[in-house]
Amino acid sequence: DSGVTQTPKHLITATGQRVTLRCSPRSGDLSVYWYQQSLDQGLQFLIQYYNGEERAKGNILERFSAQQFPDLHSELNLSSLELGDSALYFCASSVRWGAGNTIYFGEGSWLTVV
Amino acid sequence: DQQVKQNSPSLSVQEGRISILNCDYTNSMFDYFLWYKKYPAEGPTFLISISSIKDKNEDGRFTVFLNKSAKHLSLHIVPSQPGDSAVYFCAASEGLTGGGNKLTFGTGTQLKVEL
Repeated sequence: DSGVTQTPKHLITATGQRVTLRCSPRSGDLSVYWYQQSLDQGLQFLIQYYNGEERAKGNILERFSAQQFPDLHSELNLSSLELGDSALYFCASSVRWGAGNTIYFGEGSWLTVV
Repeated sequence: DQQVKQNSPSLSVQEGRISILNCDYTNSMFDYFLWYKKYPAEGPTFLISISSIKDKNEDGRFTVFLNKSAKHLSLHIVPSQPGDSAVYFCAASEGLTGGGNKLTFGTGTQLKVEL
């Protein structure tokens, strides 16, 4: 158990819909990350927040948005869902924001778009 | 463009022997490297890391070697145990402007340790 908590674990939704994935980081961690794992793309970095502020951005679609709240939990919002958005979405956290800090992953949220 | 490559999708080793997992990278700006292990239906679990100022880091049965000139790193597991059977991911990061910490992952190697 990494200490990173993600909900829901599984989610099935229709194309065009919007979903929100939630993440609670490890106790004491100020930085939160979102990654997407799909069959054809592997593990891809989406976005990083540190203490409520965006720190780094990867190949995150404009239909996706994220935020980190004052209590440090984070939400990833996925809208206008397409079949290709079906993937495993991981949240991760680290103590600090910079490169070289070990990142710990949650168990992921399985999203299936039908 | 795959900046971190794990060219062996699978590896089979006998229990008690050494497992060697390899990883190559192309981005010379990468300065921190990590190995993660992943079981099915679970998130990646951190194993060991190495900074670019070192060429070796050891933690119990796990040792990571870094060859910067060849842009190559490897993970050695000695002795291998059946519980080590999992997918192993190599990951790399670089110092980003603004202080971000983005990991670029390889595609993974499925290790199977046989009795």
